Amino acid sequence: NAGVTQTPKFRILKIGQSMTLQCAQDMNHNYMYWYRQDPGMGLKLIYYSVGAGITDKGEVPNGYNVSRSTTEDFPLRLELAAPSQTSVYFCASSWAGTGVEAFFGQGTRLTVV
Amino acid sequence: ELKVEQNPLFLSMQEGKNYTIYCNYSTTSDRLYWYRQDPGKSLESLFVLLSNGAVKQEGRLMASLDTKARLSTLHITAAVHDLSATYFCAAHSSGGGADGLTFGKGTHLIIQP
Repeated sequence: NAGVTQTPKFRILKIGQSMTLQCAQDMNHNYMYWYRQDPGMGLKLIYYSVGAGITDKGEVPNGYNVSRSTTEDFPLRLELAAPSQTSVYFCASSWAGTGVEAFFGQGTRLTVV
Repeated sequence: ELKVEQNPLFLSMQEGKNYTIYCNYSTTSDRLYWYRQDPGKSLESLFVLLSNGAVKQEGRLMASLDTKARLSTLHITAAVHDLSATYFCAAHSSGGGADGLTFGKGTHLIIQP
């Protein structure tokens, strides 16, 4: 079982560049989430989606955009990358809202230089 | 705004000893989660606690929830080296807002032979 798959695993961006972090899940989960984890810190919610076509902001959405055109995919777009976006990004999914177990991807380590 | 605080943030202990990690949260939360993260890896779900007085056990780990005190604990019994990892608690606010989790900073646990 693939679960939640994130690509790429590592990426170095220059300031001002853009990129899309990919996230796909094969568990038919309705809920998907993007978190970022800064060194020595817990995870912070960037964006989430409760189903295809529906997205909403989390705690730290600035500098990011998302879309959810299918149940399976939830890409995270970084426009005009800044050093403050250097972090590890985790995608997660669950079949319902919080209250059930969320499954996490392996993470994407992003460095902006 | 929901805040989650863990303590200690760092813990070094010897094999065979018992210890407890504490997780306090600032506002009413209807569910509490514990995750484990190994270095460079994703998060692994350990426990989901859904009601006051809930207690769950898996091997040498036991988690409990006291919603009146806004406190969850993760107790380690007769620690073994394999339990070395970073442990996160996370809470969901029952007062609305983003449908995601608020994480503590994590407890970095090192168990020495």
